[in-house]
Amino acid sequence: GAVVSQHPSWVICKSGTSVKIECRSLDFQATTMFWYRQFPKQSLMLMATSNEGSKATYEQGVEKDKFLINHASLTLSTLTVTSAHPEDSSFYICSAIPLRAGGPSDTQYFGPGTRLTVL
Amino acid sequence: SQQGEEDPQALSIQEGENATMNCSYKTSINNLQWYRQNSGRGLVHLILIRSNEREKHSGRLRVTLDTSKKSSSLLITASRAADTASYFCATALRSGTYKYIFGTGTRLKVLA
Repeated sequence: GAVVSQHPSWVICKSGTSVKIECRSLDFQATTMFWYRQFPKQSLMLMATSNEGSKATYEQGVEKDKFLINHASLTLSTLTVTSAHPEDSSFYICSAIPLRAGGPSDTQYFGPGTRLTVL
Repeated sequence: SQQGEEDPQALSIQEGENATMNCSYKTSINNLQWYRQNSGRGLVHLILIRSNEREKHSGRLRVTLDTSKKSSSLLITASRAADTASYFCATALRSGTYKYIFGTGTRLKVLA
């Protein structure tokens, strides 16, 4: 149980285009999902917290107009990288916290990641 | 930066040996978790230890937590080549946001 999927697993796009990445919780509901980015051989940096039915909360230094997040249902959050540039090339990973009776779980479950390359 | 520090950054050992990784963090926490990441893949949850716990075991994994020193360690006993991966600690803050702060990670290589 607690499986999170991401689509696509990799994407190559031209500079200036927008790219949408989906994060789905397959066998559980999640009111909260998180988006991270990871550069090669580095740790995960939290970009934003995605809350179902409300606006995302962005970490300091992350441009909300560039990284649009939509959490439209209890099983889906999307991250859209708008007007992508080569410096946006990275590994984007989402995670979700299962909603259980008594409150959210303590554990985040991670998707397999999406590798974005902007030419 | 709130990011935790892990050491060593890289560790290379022979199969069968034990591997120890350390994590230090800066703020009070609700719990601390360890994750494994194979190259280019997502993260796999290994173990969670709460702030009121001092030690936890799961199979070949042993995790300790010292909240007075704001540090944790992950011990993998009798390592295998399949344990080769990056290992990250993640701290959940007391603020109740369920937000994690990840450590810098340790790259473990187990030689067959």
